[in-house]
Amino acid sequence: DGGITQSPKYLFRKEGQNVTLSCEQNLNHDAMYWYRQDPGQGLRLIYYSQIVNDFQKGDIAEGYSVSREKKESFPLTVTSAQKNPTAFYLCASSIDREQGYTFGSGTRLTVV
Amino acid sequence: GIQVEQSPPDLILQEGANSTLRCNFSDSVNNLQWFHQNPWGQLINLFYIPSGTKQNGRLSATTVATERYSLLYISSSQTTDSGVYFCGRGGSNYKLTFGKGTLLTVNP
Repeated sequence: DGGITQSPKYLFRKEGQNVTLSCEQNLNHDAMYWYRQDPGQGLRLIYYSQIVNDFQKGDIAEGYSVSREKKESFPLTVTSAQKNPTAFYLCASSIDREQGYTFGSGTRLTVV
Repeated sequence: GIQVEQSPPDLILQEGANSTLRCNFSDSVNNLQWFHQNPWGQLINLFYIPSGTKQNGRLSATTVATERYSLLYISSSQTTDSGVYFCGRGGSNYKLTFGKGTLLTVNP
């Protein structure tokens, strides 16, 4: 079945460490997205990529980095510069900008 | 920036009741989507509806782009409908802006 796989589901990080969240899709979608969700809040866009080897900053990109070396993969690195990284991270993909999104099941990151 | 406002923020229903959720947005729309987030955090796409009306079983949605709002109707609600409903609005680029959601609780 086609879909988006995010791993791991739960991640614990010590302060000062970088951590990378995985997002893989087999839907043959061109566009991929990373969102952050905090309790009781909507989703906020971190980064998005329209095509391989290209990506754009979203509304809250500071302290995060991404790469898009393959169509199927869009990993997100949460760097030590991100001041409040504890959150629920969701990856999504779409065929293009005017189509519905498919979301992964999310990664819950906790800084300890 | 673009504003997306959802109402009501919370809604409690008895099983079998009907409900209407509203999404207002502050700018023109090329992309409007409704999602359901279950208690485990999974977001399911319910509708892609930048304009017009669509129906899928007990759910239907209407977007009136000229008046900058969208409505999600849930009929004969079931306990499995509980969760948070989000709308997301996109313009001429790839950025989808989300509202804060409506938390729906359906009691048996």
